[in-house]
Amino acid sequence: KAGVTQTPRYLIKTRGQQVTLSCSPISGHRSVSWYQQTPGQGLQFLFEYFSETQRNKGNFPGRFSGRQFSNSRSEMNVSTLELGDSALYLCASTLWTGPDEQFFGPGTRLTVL
Amino acid sequence: QKEVEQNSGPLSVPEGAIASLNCTYSDRGSQSFFWYRQYSGKSPELIMFIYSNGDKEDGRFTAQLNKASQYVSLLIRDSQPSDSATYLCAVPDNTDKLIFGTGTRLQVFP
Repeated sequence: KAGVTQTPRYLIKTRGQQVTLSCSPISGHRSVSWYQQTPGQGLQFLFEYFSETQRNKGNFPGRFSGRQFSNSRSEMNVSTLELGDSALYLCASTLWTGPDEQFFGPGTRLTVL
Repeated sequence: QKEVEQNSGPLSVPEGAIASLNCTYSDRGSQSFFWYRQYSGKSPELIMFIYSNGDKEDGRFTAQLNKASQYVSLLIRDSQPSDSATYLCAVPDNTDKLIFGTGTRLQVFP
C-alpha cells in the first residue's frame, strides 16, 4: 500500500508570495492533519480535515488555510508569506478522525527569503 | 506549563544498554499516548501507542504509563546505534488534536 505523499518536496519563495502544498493520504484514509515543524517550536498542529470538513484547528493566523477534496487529498495554502513561515510542513494521514495512528508524509521544506 | 514536555537531551547510552525516555503531560484525563521516532531529515514514524488502561511491549520497545505522576515512558532494550534519533511523545488534547512534545534526542554509541 502506498504511503502518504506530499508535493512539492522543496519550495523557495519570497516574502509576500503565497504557496500551496499538497498531500495525498494513504488509500482508504479519510483524515488528513497538517503540522508545521521548526527547530525552536517542534511539531505544531495546523488543522485537520475529515470528509472535506475542517474538524480541528491550531493556533495559526488566518493566512494559513486548507481544504480537502472528495478523494481525501488535501491542500494547504499560506498567503502573504513571512520569513517565520520557513519550516518543514508535514501532513499525516489517519484512517478515521480522532486521536489515532497517524502516518506522516515526507514533508515539504519551505524556505521564505 | 506546556501540555507535553520532554527533556531535549541528548540522552547518550552505550550499545546494548536500556534507554529510558520520559514524557510528562498536563491533562490528567488523557486516555492515549503516542511515541514517534524521527531520524534526522526524515518525518516522524509511529513506534507505538498505549491507552490509559495499561503498559505495552513490542519487541525491544516498552511503553509505560504512570498516571499518578502524569508521565509516560518509552524503554528501549538492547539499544542499537540505529536507534539514534529524536523520540517524540504525543498526547491528544481535549479537542482530540495531537499535542507533540519537542522530543528527546537519543544517541547510542558503539
